[in-house]
Amino acid sequence: DQQVKQNSPSLSVQEGRISILNCDYTNSMFDYFLWYKKYPAEGPTFLISISSIKDKNEDGRFTVFLNKSAKHLSLHIVPSQPGDSAVYFCAASHQGAQKLVFGQGTRLTINP
Amino acid sequence: SAVISQKPSRDICQRGTSLTIQCQVDSQVTMMFWYRQQPGQSLTLIATANQGSEATYESGFVIDKFPISRPNLTFSTLTVSNMSPEDSSIYLCSVATAAVDYGYTFGSGTRLTVV
Repeated sequence: DQQVKQNSPSLSVQEGRISILNCDYTNSMFDYFLWYKKYPAEGPTFLISISSIKDKNEDGRFTVFLNKSAKHLSLHIVPSQPGDSAVYFCAASHQGAQKLVFGQGTRLTINP
Repeated sequence: SAVISQKPSRDICQRGTSLTIQCQVDSQVTMMFWYRQQPGQSLTLIATANQGSEATYESGFVIDKFPISRPNLTFSTLTVSNMSPEDSSIYLCSVATAAVDYGYTFGSGTRLTVV
């Protein structure tokens, strides 16, 4: 049972434009959501997170939106830069569990 | 956030043998987590390692196959035992950071190929 789903395995965006990565979840107990970026031969690097008490969190070029009723979150990157090309994972957890449940990842390619 | 040193970074092993992966953290942490990423797949939690107690394994993972040690608050090992080609994956350790907004920190991973 895939509790966290990223339905787009890949996304290609032109440099300077907005990148939107999507993630859906099924477990209503999840109350904390994170986005990670992963380059080849490296571990995932934390990008941004959001608690279920919020619907938006912003950090520089990165904004995460959470729609609890739809069990959907998205990561917006604007403007997109070539260095943003990587695999992006969304992850979720619920209070007390501490462990993360990951989506399958979306490979983002930023074209010059 | 914590800094994790994980080794080896990669290895090619013969089937039937075992490999031990080490993770060293630069600060004391209560819980360490071990994940597996099979080719083209998501990261899946193998077990949670607490210092001074038995590791807690997720469904589908057993101690005989993936024994874990946690001798102190800065170090843990994961052994992949009696390996088969299906064990070829990236193995990652992770710790939860003190400030929740910083998320969880991951090691650089161990890319294991079993031949």
